[in-house]
Amino acid sequence: AQSVSQHNHHVILSEAASLELGCNYSYGGTVNLFWYVQYPGQHLQLLLKYFSGDPLVKGIKGFEAEFIKSKFSFNLRKPSVQWSDTAEYFCAVNNAGNMLTFGGGTRLMVKP
Amino acid sequence: GAGVSQSPRYKVAKRGQDVALRCDPISGHVSLFWYQQALGQGPEFLTYFQNEAQLDKSGLPSDRFFAERPEGSVSTLKIQRTQQEDSAVYLCASSMDRGHNSPLHFGNGTRLTVT
Repeated sequence: AQSVSQHNHHVILSEAASLELGCNYSYGGTVNLFWYVQYPGQHLQLLLKYFSGDPLVKGIKGFEAEFIKSKFSFNLRKPSVQWSDTAEYFCAVNNAGNMLTFGGGTRLMVKP
Repeated sequence: GAGVSQSPRYKVAKRGQDVALRCDPISGHVSLFWYQQALGQGPEFLTYFQNEAQLDKSGLPSDRFFAERPEGSVSTLKIQRTQQEDSAVYLCASSMDRGHNSPLHFGNGTRLTVT
């Protein structure tokens, strides 16, 4: 069974700092990769996704993620975070089956 | 025009009671998923519907869990004889297409507490 690891459970940054959240998955075949975000009091929503093509994917609100197949990684980055980026971030993997396998999530707090 | 709606938002059940959780997906969405999210963890897949057909129920943790979507729109997740380990947030998501070709739209979830 595939698994997804997010090694940083809690991250605290000051505004304007750069962000990188790690995501590693275990499945060795073809995968579709996602980052979802859950802002306080809101539902999960899609931040960005990778299916194929350019391994550097750009999403909403200035986020991007890079798929590195050899490292089984799909790390999320943002050059300069804002207070409004405070949220919980989930990496997820689909290998053409019916389910998304989610990581445990990373809680990001951005101090103003 | 609204998103995915789930009810109730909160449910407290005594151990052994049956509960029913409702999901109203976005109108016209083909796919509907149920996920279970325990405290401090990511969502875990329970079951998948394509229209009214339950194509995958591999994630249902026991035969106490049952889901249906009889007319291909509203779905109900039923848990019989609830146990404390069933305490979690139950998330429903829908998408326009089959599988994961289009983004999932999640509801706010139902937080179930079994006492």
